[in-house]
Amino acid sequence: QKEVEQDPGPLSVPEGAIVSLNCTYSNSAFQYFMWYRQYSRKGPELLMYTYSSGNKEDGRFTAQVDKSSKYISLFIRDSQPSDSATYLCAGSMDSSYKLIFGSGTRLLVRP
Amino acid sequence: ETGVTQSPTHLIKTRGQQVTLRCSSQSGHNTVSWYQQALGQGPQFIFQYYREEENGRGNFPPRFSGLQFPNYSSELNVNALELDDSALYLCASSLIQGREDTQYFGPGTRLTVL
Repeated sequence: QKEVEQDPGPLSVPEGAIVSLNCTYSNSAFQYFMWYRQYSRKGPELLMYTYSSGNKEDGRFTAQVDKSSKYISLFIRDSQPSDSATYLCAGSMDSSYKLIFGSGTRLLVRP
Repeated sequence: ETGVTQSPTHLIKTRGQQVTLRCSSQSGHNTVSWYQQALGQGPQFIFQYYREEENGRGNFPPRFSGLQFPNYSSELNVNALELDDSALYLCASSLIQGREDTQYFGPGTRLTVL
């Protein structure tokens, strides 16, 4: 079993839709949770960063962490074609050390 | 864009050869981590360098080695290349100073082993 599980998709939605991306993890020691966006042939770009449980909002993006169920979510409101990318979730015990990534979910936002 | 740069952008090697990949960290950052990302997978942690010392290692064999220089730039060396080493190699820099020390990735080096 992988430490971080993520549905690979692809997930296809129309422009303007609310997108929900989800991950589960198995390591109870994880304290830090991140969402990265990766465009084709590019490096991952940090989108959201959360410490412990709770919600964090940044513009159209909301990250949620539920440590009791080991569940991580990213919501994207008013999705745009430019949001089409692979979204990677990651967990770690120390934010500056070893990140454990899921395999990524491909998102396609149709104009 | 982050201030993390990597070179070369891509390269092709044959099995058994050796390769060196380079990374310049973001200004002010003192830590570099290297990750391997196979096609369709998430990045996997190779190792981390902090103040020129290896600061932890993932599940990779000793033929994966690294260096960090006084200016905090870094190299990843892979000896005796195998076909399965074909991947995108990413470096990420961070500043270890407190609780929220996030990692910022470079664009990666795509390595193809034939």
